[in-house]
Amino acid sequence: EAAVTQSPRSKVAVTGGKVTLSCHQTNNHDYMYWYRQDTGHGLRLIHYSYVADSTEKGDIPDGYKASRPSQENFSLILELASLSQTAVYFCASSDRGQDSDYTFGSGTRLLVI
Amino acid sequence: AQKVTQTQTSISVVEKTTVTMDCVYETRDSSYFLFWYKQTASGEIVFLIRQDSYKKENATVGHYSLNFQKPKSSIGLIITATQIEDSAVYFCAMREYNTNTGKLTFGDGTVLTVKP
Repeated sequence: EAAVTQSPRSKVAVTGGKVTLSCHQTNNHDYMYWYRQDTGHGLRLIHYSYVADSTEKGDIPDGYKASRPSQENFSLILELASLSQTAVYFCASSDRGQDSDYTFGSGTRLLVI
Repeated sequence: AQKVTQTQTSISVVEKTTVTMDCVYETRDSSYFLFWYKQTASGEIVFLIRQDSYKKENATVGHYSLNFQKPKSSIGLIITATQIEDSAVYFCAMREYNTNTGKLTFGDGTVLTVKP
């Protein structure tokens, strides 16, 4: 079954440390995305990619980097984690069609202390 | 820039009744796609239903249907015969046609509680 798998499911990080969140999809989708969800709020786009070896900035890219080494894998990197980056992070994938919906991963709950 | 607003923070209904959740959007594009997603208590987010702006007919999937009012830039989600398991957070989202990013812009969500 086609799916989006995120790892880890949860993580506690120290302020100033490096954090890498991973995402793997088996949907054969071209597009992949990283969103952030803060308590009581919707999803905001951090980075996205429409082809391997290329990433694009979303609406809130500051403090984050992304890497897409293959069609299946998309990582979100926090080089210097900060308290304000405590949130739930969702990875998603979609096909190229403008009417394509997203398939979401289960989310990664990140706590920065 | 596109914007999606869900004004209802939370709604509570009795099981087996019908509920409508509101969503309004802003866009400069004449063509766009509107989506509704459901986030369960476990955090899982699943796609429910889509409306294409060029279609006049309201989309329907199972006990979900949409009330699309293009002149009002409004897309309401209607759930008929609600069940306890419909309790969740519902997100409205939009994608403009003239974009090659695939990006969806989401509203802040409406918490639906279905009581017995």
